[in-house]
Amino acid sequence: GAVVSQHPSWVICKSGTSVKIECRSLDFQATTMFWYRQFPKQSLMLMATSNEGSKATYEQGVEKDKFLINHASLTLSTLTVTSAHPEDSSFYICSASRLAGGYEQYFGPGTRLTVT
Amino acid sequence: SQQGEEDPQALSIQEGENATMNCSYKTSINNLQWYRQNSGRGLVHLILIRSNEREKHSGRLRVTLDTSKKSSSLLITASRAADTASYFCATDIQGAQKLVFGQGTRLTINP
Repeated sequence: GAVVSQHPSWVICKSGTSVKIECRSLDFQATTMFWYRQFPKQSLMLMATSNEGSKATYEQGVEKDKFLINHASLTLSTLTVTSAHPEDSSFYICSASRLAGGYEQYFGPGTRLTVT
Repeated sequence: SQQGEEDPQALSIQEGENATMNCSYKTSINNLQWYRQNSGRGLVHLILIRSNEREKHSGRLRVTLDTSKKSSSLLITASRAADTASYFCATDIQGAQKLVFGQGTRLTINP
């Protein structure tokens, strides 16, 4: 159990367009979902934490108007990169914590975004 | 800023040898976790050690935690080529429901 999926697994978009990435918990309900960004050969940096039904909490330095996060249900969170630029090209990974569980996070397989 | 620091940043050893990676952190934690990431892939959870534990084993993995020194180590024994990956420690900070990742160690096992 505790499987998290992401869609798409990779996406190429043109500069100035927006792209949406979905994160789903397939076999459990997630009170909290997390979004991370990872540049090549670097570690994961937490972008934001989202709780179902409430606004996301963004980490310092992350533009909330550029990275829109929606956590509409206990199994789905979306990250929309608006007006994407080449510097937004990165590996985006989500994770989810169980409802009424501990703090263990279950990670999705990641989405590779390339902005041309 | 990231809390965890790992060393070495890169480690290359021969198959069959043991690999040791270290992680240091700065604040009080609930637990510390180790993850593996193959190139371009997602994270695989390896092991979680709670703040009141000092050592934990899982197969060929051995993790230690020294909260007085705010450090942890991951030992992989009898390494295999398939162990080639990046390894990250992540701390679950007290009072904040989030993980902070270390910089990672890139491990290469040479056949």
